[in-house]
Amino acid sequence: DQQVKQNSPSLSVQEGRISILNCDYTNSMFDYFLWYKKYPAEGPTFLISISSIKDKNEDGRFTVFLNKSAKHLSLHIVPSQPGDSAVYFCAASALGTYKYIFGTGTRLKVLA
Amino acid sequence: SQTIHQWPATLVQPVGSPLSLECTVEGTSNPNLYWYRQAAGRGLQLLFYSVGIGQISSEVPQNLSASRPQDRQFILSSKKLLLSDSGFYLCAWTEQAHNEQFFGPGTRLTVL
Repeated sequence: DQQVKQNSPSLSVQEGRISILNCDYTNSMFDYFLWYKKYPAEGPTFLISISSIKDKNEDGRFTVFLNKSAKHLSLHIVPSQPGDSAVYFCAASALGTYKYIFGTGTRLKVLA
Repeated sequence: SQTIHQWPATLVQPVGSPLSLECTVEGTSNPNLYWYRQAAGRGLQLLFYSVGIGQISSEVPQNLSASRPQDRQFILSSKKLLLSDSGFYLCAWTEQAHNEQFFGPGTRLTVL
């Protein structure tokens, strides 16, 4: 049972435009969400997180939006750069647990 | 600052051979430690996590095991490797539950 889903396996965006990566979850107990960026043969790099008490969190070019009623979060990257080309994972954690559940990832390709 | 190390970086092992992957964290005390596996083209699968010395929680029944002999050391082992054990193994840590999780560089394991 996939509790965290990233339904788009890949996404291509022109340099300078906005990249929007989506993530859906099924477990209503999740209340902390994270986004990671991963290059091949490297460990994931933490990008940004959001707690369920918020609906938006910004850090530079990265903004995460959380829609709790829809059990949906998205990562916006503006403007997109070629160096952003990587696989992006969303992850979720439930209060009182130590586990982080990851989605299957979306491969972003930013075209120069 | 905190640093996480994993070794070896790559490993090629025959079916039926034993396995030992090591992970150490520097610059923090009493971290929560995690082992994940990323199979080819797949997401991150949580294998084990530990909230203290000698405390191991297993997420997926398989022929792998984990141990935490010291506060900042986490070891992934197998007595007899299977072909299906091939993958990219990642160690991660958090300072406490419900916090950013940071990953090591990973170990690429190929079982032939």
